[in-house]
Amino acid sequence: GQNIDQPTEMTATEGAIVQINCTYQTSGFNGLFWYQQHAGEAPTFLSYNVLDGLEEKGRFSSFLSRSKGYSYLLLKELQMKDSASYLCAVRDGYGGATNKLIFGTGTLLAVQP
Amino acid sequence: NAGVTQTPKFRVLKTGQSMTLLCAQDMNHEYMYWYRQDPGMGLRLIHYSVGEGTTAKGEVPDGYNVSRLKKQNFLLGLESAAPSQTSVYFCASSDRDRGRNEQFFGPGTRLTVL
Repeated sequence: GQNIDQPTEMTATEGAIVQINCTYQTSGFNGLFWYQQHAGEAPTFLSYNVLDGLEEKGRFSSFLSRSKGYSYLLLKELQMKDSASYLCAVRDGYGGATNKLIFGTGTLLAVQP
Repeated sequence: NAGVTQTPKFRVLKTGQSMTLLCAQDMNHEYMYWYRQDPGMGLRLIHYSVGEGTTAKGEVPDGYNVSRLKKQNFLLGLESAAPSQTSVYFCASSDRDRGRNEQFFGPGTRLTVL
């Protein structure tokens, strides 16, 4: 079956570092995405991993281990505006028209002063 | 460059009524998608299209129909709305469905069925 697990909620302090974990079990794998979604708004793209290792983009980094079915999103120097839901999504399949995204339920991050 | 737009933004329907949600993208993307987002359920794919004139079923297609008559537009129809279809509906598009090509999302339509 298809399953993506993320913590439901997390709380962190402004200026700190937070790590949001995602584990997945899918019939195929062709990349993992992280999206940010502020309340009442559309999801926006944050990062993409398809090979094992760390991808860094400013204050945000994302890590992937395909053998463990595991990824994390690391947010550094937290700001109040980082309070949002963070969605982990796996692209299932190996190409062609069946290459769809499977989303986790999202992790609601609250950044406190 | 407006990206992905959706109309309407809000709608209230009575059970049994019909409506059409319109999605438009100006990025010349081939792929378009309709999702619904419910509390505790995450985004679930309803239908998708891999090009003009094509449509395919996603994870939760029952009760919905779609059409992609023009490359830039993707319509989602509810023929006979039910309270279970109360949700936030997001349209998305992508250039290709492989590699880093992420999906770009519209602002959403909040639908309530009474």
